[in-house]
Amino acid sequence: DAGVIQSPRHEVTEMGQEVTLRCKPISGHDYLFWYRQTMMRGLELLIYFNNNVPIDDSGMPEDRFSAKMPNASFSTLKIQPSEPRDSAVYFCASTQGRYHGYTFGSGTRLTVV
Amino acid sequence: RKEVEQDPGPFNVPEGATVAFNCTYSNSASQSFFWYRQDCRKEPKLLMSVYSSGNEDGRFTAQLNRASQYISLLIRDSKLSDSATYLCVVPNAGGTSYGKLTFGQGTILTVHP
Repeated sequence: DAGVIQSPRHEVTEMGQEVTLRCKPISGHDYLFWYRQTMMRGLELLIYFNNNVPIDDSGMPEDRFSAKMPNASFSTLKIQPSEPRDSAVYFCASTQGRYHGYTFGSGTRLTVV
Repeated sequence: RKEVEQDPGPFNVPEGATVAFNCTYSNSASQSFFWYRQDCRKEPKLLMSVYSSGNEDGRFTAQLNRASQYISLLIRDSKLSDSATYLCVVPNAGGTSYGKLTFGQGTILTVHP
């Protein structure tokens, strides 16, 4: 199994631009999570999906952030417009269920200048 | 009490030492727990799962005390390669959504020669 695949690995963009992060979960995993990690705040859950349906988006910072999961093998996290404070590492993770640990992707390191 | 709270660290220990980390959690209904390891600039990776009173895997032992609502991770005979950040993870820590995991802030371990 290839694991959770995220793209791009690195993204540098200018303030105000749209940024789209992509994730392919492990086949057969019904849950998909988007996390953001910074030194100050650690790992923060942004949103998660179960069977492609958003379950909890209470962690999404504001309306500039949106996430979709059009099918079981693909999800996107979009930031529009991006701001310097959005700079962080964004991780996608998937799991079969709450008694199983998560498998994380390698992350996308986002820098907004 | 915070949802998940870990020893502040950092821990600096010599090779061969035994080191223990503690983690407390607030939701008494939490069932399964995890320890993750995160290397610098890498994604978190599952180290151990804890479902009952404890779990042992080689030099690593995880213990669960439900009455006091804490879990611990013991590393014996520390190796240089054990240097990393160790994350305590609790499911449904806020008593909210099924499948959600909450990560502690992490404890940094540095093993020196």
